[in-house]
Amino acid sequence: QVQLQESGPGLVKPSETLSLTCTVSGDSFSTYYWSWIRQPPGKGLEWIGYIYYTGRTNYNPSLKSRVTVSIDTPKNQFSLKLSSVTAADTAVYYCARLDIVATDVFDIWGQGTMVTVSS
Amino acid sequence: EIVLTQSPGTLSLSPGETTTLSCRASQSVSSSYLAWYQHKPGQAPRLLIYGASSRATGIPDRFSGSGSGTDFTLTISRLEPEDFAVFYCQQYGSSPYTFGQGTKLEIK
Repeated sequence: QVQLQESGPGLVKPSETLSLTCTVSGDSFSTYYWSWIRQPPGKGLEWIGYIYYTGRTNYNPSLKSRVTVSIDTPKNQFSLKLSSVTAADTAVYYCARLDIVATDVFDIWGQGTMVTVSS
Repeated sequence: EIVLTQSPGTLSLSPGETTTLSCRASQSVSSSYLAWYQHKPGQAPRLLIYGASSRATGIPDRFSGSGSGTDFTLTISRLEPEDFAVFYCQQYGSSPYTFGQGTKLEIK
């Protein structure tokens, strides 16, 4: 059974860098793309970006200048760094599997982790 | 980017009823690359439909999707108490992937 679990600080100061890690268990890490998606309070979902085990990435242009997604295949983990955060980056952050094998969609998600940007 | 507009914003229905949710795209979604997700508070979103009309693994046939181009619908038949949630459509035909703002389905 595939599981994804986000981890990282729940509070980040304005202008600093938000860092989160997603640990994947029970899956072939090199078969799929791995994504980050967020949901600000009271708003809809926003795709942030994805990474393949080769290191290939694709980012949402709205965040591209501030986002870095990296991967650690031996640990079955991938990470998100979002720099120069503001209150607008306060959101629940989800990691998700992008199934390029069968459906081309986000078929498995983590539970999400709330990150608040505040001094 | 493709903007997805969902309607209505909120639906108040009773168990046993049937409902249709709408998702309209600002431009044509290529190859009907449109998905639907169900999201309950505090839980991970759950994939329901992909390719506009294909049910994901384990999704009951009470959920059905249809549409093409710019207009898509999710129909839920014979509503069960566990169906009440927020539903999002998402297009993956072009980058950046985008989601609709959601339709909240609440118990009347």
